[in-house]
Amino acid sequence: DVKVTQSSRYLVKRTGEKVFLECVQDMDHENMFWYRQDPGLGLRLIYFSYDVKMKEKGDIPEGYSVSREKKERFSLILESASTNQTSMYLCASSPGLAVLAKNIQYFGAGTRLSVL
Amino acid sequence: AQRVTQPEKLLSVFKGAPVELKCNYSYSGSPELFWYVQYSRQRLQLLLRHISRESIKGFTADLNKGETSFHLKKPFAQEEDSAMYYCALSGLNTGGFKTIFGAGTRLFVKA
Repeated sequence: DVKVTQSSRYLVKRTGEKVFLECVQDMDHENMFWYRQDPGLGLRLIYFSYDVKMKEKGDIPEGYSVSREKKERFSLILESASTNQTSMYLCASSPGLAVLAKNIQYFGAGTRLSVL
Repeated sequence: AQRVTQPEKLLSVFKGAPVELKCNYSYSGSPELFWYVQYSRQRLQLLLRHISRESIKGFTADLNKGETSFHLKKPFAQEEDSAMYYCALSGLNTGGFKTIFGAGTRLFVKA
């Protein structure tokens, strides 16, 4: 079974703090993703990475950055947390793009971040 | 632009009734379509994909290219089907490895 592990289930931070969300996958997947999950808005892609040290902006990258120093680890960084970043954050991984139909995403359990 | 639309935010049905969760997409070319499900307190996971033409937990979904739809159906809903359902597409026009998700439909099956 593919395992995607997010380091924290719940986080409470203060406005202006720097926040790190960590994600590790154990299936040697090339691709990793960070999403925000908000009611009524579905999953919105923040950033993704298709290789070590490679990153691409998703749909809502403002206020976030990412780091991928090792293949198995993808970190999401909130440089200066704000209250509108209170959300559920989901990490996902997927195998390399050999066949699109196999482009299944495997998700972590999520981190619920509250910024006060 | 590539887009996935799920018109219903909430769908409530009685146990044993048929259920259909609607999904329409906008895409230039041939996308791969998926349904993901998130049960309470569980992680989001793949339910089924159109290429497999499979039935999972009694659910099926048919890709209708003419109507650009990929509705999820089950003839007899069960209480354990209550969950959040996301329709999603992937394709070369999305950047290949990216997946575009709809806003989701919460299904509530009443006893």
